[in-house]
Amino acid sequence: ETGVTQTPRHLVMGMTNKKSLKCEQHLGHNAMYWYKQSAKKPLELMFVYSLEERVENNSVPSRFSPECPNSSHLFLHLHTLQPEDSALYLCASSPKYGAGGVEQFFGPGTRLTVL
Amino acid sequence: AQSVTQLGSHVSVSEGALVLLRCNYSSSVPPYLFWYVQYPNQGLQLLLKYTTGATLVKGINGFEAEFKKSETSFHLTKPSAHMSDAAEYFCAVRFSSGNTPLVFGKGTRLSVIA
Repeated sequence: ETGVTQTPRHLVMGMTNKKSLKCEQHLGHNAMYWYKQSAKKPLELMFVYSLEERVENNSVPSRFSPECPNSSHLFLHLHTLQPEDSALYLCASSPKYGAGGVEQFFGPGTRLTVL
Repeated sequence: AQSVTQLGSHVSVSEGALVLLRCNYSSSVPPYLFWYVQYPNQGLQLLLKYTTGATLVKGINGFEAEFKKSETSFHLTKPSAHMSDAAEYFCAVRFSSGNTPLVFGKGTRLSVIA
């Protein structure tokens, strides 16, 4: 595997379910990100981890819980979601957080549908 | 407030025609500027970026963009559209060199007509 991978690619869950999204980067990067992409809205940054420490938490509801066990893996734990949480969830990584012109590398996303 | 504006949520061009996708930002200092492309069912892929130096930046797939400080713009162009260019394009800006996140525009969907 190369780049940034995400599993599962598609997920359908009920509002009472608990599920987790997984992201893995094979680039040796030190920063990882979760974004939410909804139709007709800009990408919303949810969480940022730098060297396995959370550095950004942009007013995300507590029903979303991130976990970064090491610099290569990032999880998003989901519980008691709402239908409006249905979206494409994108993971990204970068060599380090912020730092001017440093680009982010994105995974293919997980398409989440909450029934 | 610092923001990124992409004019036109949907742009349609004929195959072989010029592609012009607009991006403006609001900032009093020159930012770091990026264009990403998203093909259906895929993540975002970097097309090009401007950090410092030459204001005309060349990217992949024949795209280029010019940073115009006086106009606070970073428009994306391609001289001749190809069917494979049909995708969603996102302008993104980092407003300082410190630990700040990328701010994305809402995106422009490009359609290419045969």
